[in-house]
Amino acid sequence: AQSVTQLDSQVPVFEEAPVELRCNYSSSVSVYLFWYVQYPNQGLQLLLKYLSGSTLVESINGFEAEFNKSQTSFHLRKPSVHISDTAEYFCAVSDMNSGYSTLTFGKGTMLLVSP
Amino acid sequence: DTGVSQDPRHKITKRGQNVTFRCDPISEHNRLYWYRQTLGQGPEFLTYFQNEAQLEKSRLLSDRFSAERPKGSFSTLEIQRTEQGDSAMYLCASSPPSGRNTGELFFGEGSRLTVL
Repeated sequence: AQSVTQLDSQVPVFEEAPVELRCNYSSSVSVYLFWYVQYPNQGLQLLLKYLSGSTLVESINGFEAEFNKSQTSFHLRKPSVHISDTAEYFCAVSDMNSGYSTLTFGKGTMLLVSP
Repeated sequence: DTGVSQDPRHKITKRGQNVTFRCDPISEHNRLYWYRQTLGQGPEFLTYFQNEAQLEKSRLLSDRFSAERPKGSFSTLEIQRTEQGDSAMYLCASSPPSGRNTGELFFGEGSRLTVL
């Protein structure tokens, strides 16, 4: 079984400031790691994922996340946020050895970017 | 690409009534998932279909819940004798056939259920 902890339910930040959204997980098996984003009135979208290889993964819109196996973390960062980044961000894991994607999600972190 | 479509988007019902939600996945996706999301929580897995076969059901899926995917295309999720605790957003997702779990799910916008 897996569990995901997102300690911050809400993160307010000013535009152009850096941000970090924290994610820790617990699992008895090896997992893949994901960040999904939900913009207002839209469905969940994959932001980035870690399957293997380099522990630092990047999205097309400037976010990055680093897999830290010893700390069982997968924190999401962006050096300079935009108003349009306002959304809810969900960290998720799935069993690496499963043949399909039964994702376990955290409770989400609402990123609120103000001018 | 029309994406994952869910219907209805909103449903308000009285306690004890039955409700049914429909999900149309992306056309070439043979894998379909239902999740439930309550206020302040992340999505919770309910059930998974590969083609028409229901391969996994969560313990969250009580006897009042039933899901089908009769022809391996669209799916329905029915809740019988609804309770106020069933109020939630019901999310459908799909993914393409793959011999390897890559984790990317394509989500619909959800069906919001309110039980009065």
